[in-house]
Amino acid sequence: SQTIHQWPATLVQPVGSPLSLECTVEGTSNPNLYWYRQAAGRGLQLLFYSVGIGQISSEVPQNLSASRPQDRQFILSSKKLLLSDSGFYLCAWSTGEDGYTFGSGTRLTVV
Amino acid sequence: KNQVEQSPQSLIILEGKNCTLQCNYTVSPFSNLRWYKQDTGRGPVSLTIMTFSENTKSNGRYTATLDADTKQSSLHITASQLSDSASYICVADTGGFKTIFGAGTRLFVKA
Repeated sequence: SQTIHQWPATLVQPVGSPLSLECTVEGTSNPNLYWYRQAAGRGLQLLFYSVGIGQISSEVPQNLSASRPQDRQFILSSKKLLLSDSGFYLCAWSTGEDGYTFGSGTRLTVV
Repeated sequence: KNQVEQSPQSLIILEGKNCTLQCNYTVSPFSNLRWYKQDTGRGPVSLTIMTFSENTKSNGRYTATLDADTKQSSLHITASQLSDSASYICVADTGGFKTIFGAGTRLFVKA
């Protein structure tokens, strides 16, 4: 069965520090992978998506970057966090018509 | 502008009662309408998916309807349970990687 792992669950980081959130999927090959951010009272905002190794598309300009070093690994990074980067980050994968399977999310608080 | 609007923003009902959540979407092109359930601090989980030609889809006590002419969808929950307390998110696919998420309706089921 397909599963998706995302960690850590919560993270508190100081402003200006780096960030690395990791997401891995199991039980599927060549998935489309996504990073979303969810702000309180707002809909999910697509940050990045990837259709294959090394292929990253960015939806909004921001302080974040993404990488896909392996087929089933998707990483969200930042060199220097801003207060505005605080939020709930969700990794997801899809095969198209069946919709998304989301990870359990990471609550990031930048202080 | 592609957008998905949900109402009410929050709702409190007694256990055992029914409720209906509303979703209006302005999305073009439109392919699928999905409903997700998101428990607090967790990733969304898919409840239903309907193509533009489908009018209704059920998943246990959850029944979603879709009117592609008026661009409205609803999610009806029958005989609510305490475990139904969550956010319910309406999602419209525009095709490709463009997916528009609503801000969600926060449902509280009280004993």
